[in-house]
Parts: sequence; C-alpha cells; structure tokens
Amino acid sequence: ETGVTQTPRHLVMGMTNKKSLKCEQHLGHNAMYWYKQSAKKPLELMFVYNFKEQTENNSVPSRFSPECPNSSHLFLHLHTLQPEDSALYLCASSQIGGGNTEAFFGQGTRLTVV
Amino acid sequence: GESVGLHLPTLSVQEGDNSIINCAYSNSASDYFIWYKQESGKGPQFIIDIRSNMDKRQGQRVTVLLNKTVKHLSLQIAATQPGDSAVYFCAENKPYSGTYKYIFGTGTRLKVLA
Repeated sequence: ETGVTQTPRHLVMGMTNKKSLKCEQHLGHNAMYWYKQSAKKPLELMFVYNFKEQTENNSVPSRFSPECPNSSHLFLHLHTLQPEDSALYLCASSQIGGGNTEAFFGQGTRLTVV
Repeated sequence: GESVGLHLPTLSVQEGDNSIINCAYSNSASDYFIWYKQESGKGPQFIIDIRSNMDKRQGQRVTVLLNKTVKHLSLQIAATQPGDSAVYFCAENKPYSGTYKYIFGTGTRLKVLA
C-alpha cells in the first residue's frame, strides 16, 4: 500500500472516446504530479499541482486536461487521444515545504489507445 | 521490468554479489536526490535519498554515493537478491516556482542471476 491510489489500473479506449484517470493520495501531501512512462521515453513529467494550483504544464497536448479539485485528488481527463499516447500514467504526491522529501507513486494506469 | 520497455542499460549480477548502478545528473541547483526501484506492473518505490550536503548515505543493504564535482550518483546494493531484480531510477528534486519537480534518469535494469 503506497498511500497513492490510481484507478483504473488498465484502460483501453478508442481515439474518439473521452475518459478520465483518477488519483487519490491518503498521505496529507500538498503537491501532486502526473507522469507519463512510455516505451519510447523515460518518465516524463506532465503536470504539477502545488496546493491545488497548477505550477507546471510541461508542453503537454491539450487532449490531456488535468483537474485538481482538492489536495487529495487529481484527475487526468483524456479526449481524442492518439495511439502514441499509449503508456503507463503515474500519479505521485509529495509534501512541499520544511525540506525536500521524496515523491510517492501510485501503481499507475496502463492506457492503450486503439 | 516490462513496464518501461525501453532499451535500458542492463546490469546482470550473480546472486550474492554486490551491484553498483550509476547515474549522471545535469542540474547543479538540485539539492536532493532519490533512488527509486520499479518492479514489473508497479509504480516506482522509494529506496534511499541523499541531500547535496552529504556524499554518502547508507540504508539497509543499500548505499548511495554523491559526487557533486562530476554530477554523479551511484547506488550500491550489497548481497544482491532475486527480489532486487527491477528497473532502478535516479531522480533529482529541482526547485521550481515555489515548488519542486522530480526529474528522472532513463533507468537501469538490474537482472539477478541465480
């Protein structure tokens, strides 16, 4: 149990579908992250939220839309994706302030776009 | 290690031997470094961290060495076991806009031979 829960674990969607990935952290952290891990590249930072405010959008296409309604929940809304978006999407959280700490990761959502 | 699928550098070691995994980082402003282990089908898990005011830190069976002069980080695993087989990532924690972001290296796949 990592304290960061992602759902669903696996998702297959068509290019015209709309779906959402969900992440919930039970650690009382104030920062949350979305990362993409694909066969073509190492772990890529997509979005950072600090105290629910988005502080980083790492040149991510607009077909990925994050939402952070509170400090415990993070969503990634997906629409009109491409096959090359197939990857493992990882959510992480950390506590910012009072010194550096590690990020805790969820198990990831394995996304396949067909 | 199927979760990444990259052509990762691979280190093969005999069970019981010591393993040394290396990592180079790029940002001199980074003051905190982390090693993660990722097993197949799971998210990255924290192993050990080190701050830039240190050059060595030891955990249970693991030691991290930091050489700031050449921006090099290494992870040493003593008496490697089959359960150590995984992909290992180093990450640097980089200050950014009042928060931090974790930048990951490409990873090394460790294979433990029986």
